Amino acid sequence: GQQLNQSPQSMFIQEGEDVSMNCTSSSIFNTWLWYKQEPGEGPVLLIALYKAGELTSNGRLTAQFGITRKDSFLNISASIPSDVGIYFCAGQAGGTSYGKLTFGQGTILTVHP
Amino acid sequence: NAGVTQTPKFRVLKTGQSMTLLCAQDMNHEYMYWYRQDPGMGLRLIHYSVGEGTTAKGEVPDGYNVSRLKKQNFLLGLESAAPSQTSVYFCASSYSVAGQRKTQYFGPGTRLLVL
Repeated sequence: GQQLNQSPQSMFIQEGEDVSMNCTSSSIFNTWLWYKQEPGEGPVLLIALYKAGELTSNGRLTAQFGITRKDSFLNISASIPSDVGIYFCAGQAGGTSYGKLTFGQGTILTVHP
Repeated sequence: NAGVTQTPKFRVLKTGQSMTLLCAQDMNHEYMYWYRQDPGMGLRLIHYSVGEGTTAKGEVPDGYNVSRLKKQNFLLGLESAAPSQTSVYFCASSYSVAGQRKTQYFGPGTRLLVL
């Protein structure tokens, strides 16, 4: 099946630093989504991207849909302790995919105060 | 709205036992999905449903069955549990708008341990 490679696998940063993570795919996607998962909870949608080249922000979070439609990037500016969690990218193909998502392996973010 | 709810939150099974996980959504979503999450592997799709009375296989369907008798409920069954099915199971639902933008909303998860 389709594979998404998400990097880095984990990050240890100081509060106030900026964070960047990315996902690459062997296939084209029509939609890219970024989710955050906190311990004991389900993933929560952060940002959705629907067009190649699209750049979308949600507070301190900014994500981009790559021009090739095979990659996406998430940036977090001025990190704070509550940013801790696992961040997942997910790609959604179009057509008859029925909204099925392919997930990356996740980036574990730790923020030191 | 409660969103997506899952029952139970946690369960321990012995090898060979059976159980059913229940997912319910109150958002009138057409599509529902079952995923499993294992360390370092992200979420993998087990089965999904595009409407009441329909189901289809996902990426890792073996050992699981599903049913969608009512639009708001999606059941995941394990007929004979195996240790390899120890995982965290997530249900999700989404809407369809002219075939576009099917954002998925996730439940809180069910933690299953098979001994």
